Amino acid sequence: KAGVTQTPRYLIKTRGQQVTLSCSPISGHRSVSWYQQTPGQGLQFLFEYFSETQRNKGNFPGRFSGRQFSNSRSEMNVSTLELGDSALYLCASSSGQVAEAFFGQGTRLTVV
Amino acid sequence: EDQVTQSPEALRLQEGESSSLNCSYTVSGLRGLFWYRQDPGKGPEFLFTLYSAGEEKEKERLKATLTKKESFLHITAPKPEDSATYLCLTGQNFVFGPGTRLSVLP
Repeated sequence: KAGVTQTPRYLIKTRGQQVTLSCSPISGHRSVSWYQQTPGQGLQFLFEYFSETQRNKGNFPGRFSGRQFSNSRSEMNVSTLELGDSALYLCASSSGQVAEAFFGQGTRLTVV
Repeated sequence: EDQVTQSPEALRLQEGESSSLNCSYTVSGLRGLFWYRQDPGKGPEFLFTLYSAGEEKEKERLKATLTKKESFLHITAPKPEDSATYLCLTGQNFVFGPGTRLSVLP
């Protein structure tokens, strides 16, 4: 059974640019959640999508957005990148909100 | 506001020296407490789910327990390969604790 796949694994962007990250969940999983991980703040919840609808949202500015497609694949977009957006972005898939979530390897974003 | 804390922040053990990690939470109506381990540069790896006070789960050298206010991850006779950061997560609000960095020395 294939795990959660995140692409790309590494990205380097310039301040002010925008970026799109992709996540393919485990087959059959309809919930996809996104997290930002930094050394100072740890793992922080961005948002969760279920059946193409954003069901939960963390405390991040509107520059962070996402969407989910009918095949449950999800994308996360960050516009007007800032240096502080440099982080490991993790995607997790699960069969439901209170079911165990399985994480991908993450996308390491560096903003210069 | 829901909060999750973990202690200790870091723990160094000798191989074979058993210990426990703590995860304390203040959430209303807990709907699942999850334990993960994370190796550097990788995504968290799922370990256990606990849903109700008194519940216990075991896997190899690890055992997780849950009360109404906290959860413990007991590590029995750890090995160097158990070295990782251990994280807990509340189910309904996606709140992760800051983690415990465990180092097991040979």
